[in-house]
Amino acid sequence: DQQVKQNSPSLSVQEGRISILNCDYTNSMFDYFLWYKKYPAEGPTFLISISSIKDKNEDGRFTVFLNKSAKHLSLHIVPSQPGDSAVYFCAASPRGKLIFGQGTELSVKP
Amino acid sequence: DTGVSQNPRHKITKRGQNVTFRCDPISEHNRLYWYRQTLGQGPEFLTYFQNEAQLEKSRLLSDRFSAERPKGSFSTLEIQRTEQGDSAMYLCASSSSTGWTQNTEAFFGQGTRLTVV
Repeated sequence: DQQVKQNSPSLSVQEGRISILNCDYTNSMFDYFLWYKKYPAEGPTFLISISSIKDKNEDGRFTVFLNKSAKHLSLHIVPSQPGDSAVYFCAASPRGKLIFGQGTELSVKP
Repeated sequence: DTGVSQNPRHKITKRGQNVTFRCDPISEHNRLYWYRQTLGQGPEFLTYFQNEAQLEKSRLLSDRFSAERPKGSFSTLEIQRTEQGDSAMYLCASSSSTGWTQNTEAFFGQGTRLTVV
């Protein structure tokens, strides 16, 4: 039973454009959400998070949006850069432990 | 380097052997997690500790798997009688929390890649 889903396994974007990565969850008890970025042969690196009491959180080029009624969150990267090419995981946290989606591989082309 | 450290980085073992991995968390972090990741999947939760107390274990963690954090600092994950299906990347993460329900970001180590032949 996949409680956190990333339905797009891959995404290709032109440099300078916006990248939008999507994530859906099933459990309304989840109250904290995170995005991680992963390069091959490395552990995931924390990017940005959002609490369920907010609907938007911004950090530089990265913005996370949360739609609780739709149980949906998204990560916007503007402008996209070739160095952003990696696998992105969303995660949801019920009481401290993290449940991850399957990941979306982002490719930013120069 | 004050990040999460995992040893070894790579381990090749024969089926049926026991293996042990070590994780040293960020020094002031009281929470420590173990995850397993296979190709094309996200990290799967295995277990986590608040200080030395093991708070939760996943159903994925069969009786061949055991994790310890004896003094609330480093942790070990042991797999007994390894099987080929145990081949995966084993990730450790740590975070700082003032309460067992508090949500906070976790910081990951580089992982231990296990290959069972």
